[in-house]
Amino acid sequence: DIVMTQTPLSSPVTLGQPASISCRSSQSLVNSDGSTYLSWLQQRPGQPPRLLIYKISNRFSGVPDRFSGSGAGTDFTLKISRVEAEDVGVYYCMQATQFPTWTFGQGTKVEIK
Amino acid sequence: QVQLVQSGAEVKKPGASVKVSCKASGYTFTGYYMHWVRQAPGQGLEWMGWINPNSGGTYCAQQFQGRVTMTRDTSISTAYMELSRLRSDDTAVYYCARDWYGSGSHWGQGTLVTVSS
Repeated sequence: DIVMTQTPLSSPVTLGQPASISCRSSQSLVNSDGSTYLSWLQQRPGQPPRLLIYKISNRFSGVPDRFSGSGAGTDFTLKISRVEAEDVGVYYCMQATQFPTWTFGQGTKVEIK
Repeated sequence: QVQLVQSGAEVKKPGASVKVSCKASGYTFTGYYMHWVRQAPGQGLEWMGWINPNSGGTYCAQQFQGRVTMTRDTSISTAYMELSRLRSDDTAVYYCARDWYGSGSHWGQGTLVTVSS
């Protein structure tokens, strides 16, 4: 089974400053169809998860462009260019390459300093 | 717009079963797999399985095999997840999520299931 490991687990950031979260998979997430099914979710306090990024770097509908995803193979990164107060929450990476299962990272808590 | 509306909170005794519903609207229900994910209090996300609303085919994570039943009623665009032989560590918020390019593009609001004697 693929294991997803996120770092850091907690990220205190200053408003207006950038933030970065890493996600590493235990094996390559390149699917046999050539796509890489690595996504990022945001979960604000008391809310269900919300899709931010799919297939490494594609922003979902309505997601602000301060969120960006990058990476390849086993190493991936979510960046927030300038953190706003509404960005507080827990961020999860997830993989769906190893069909038919989903696997989530442990989550990274983003909070304001 | 796409919406997933789940049934309300439940309190169950150990050994009982619970059935959570997820009513979809705003899209063709049979066109997208539906996943179930749970989150224990203060913990991360745990994937449970999926149902193909078109065929009714299902797949569930190994740790839930034998206890989870996923079904659907296409006439009312609703997916169901039933968990049996409940234990205290099944206390969690249960979410349905629509699959889209290997992600959960839309999520239900969550259903809190509390297992307590």
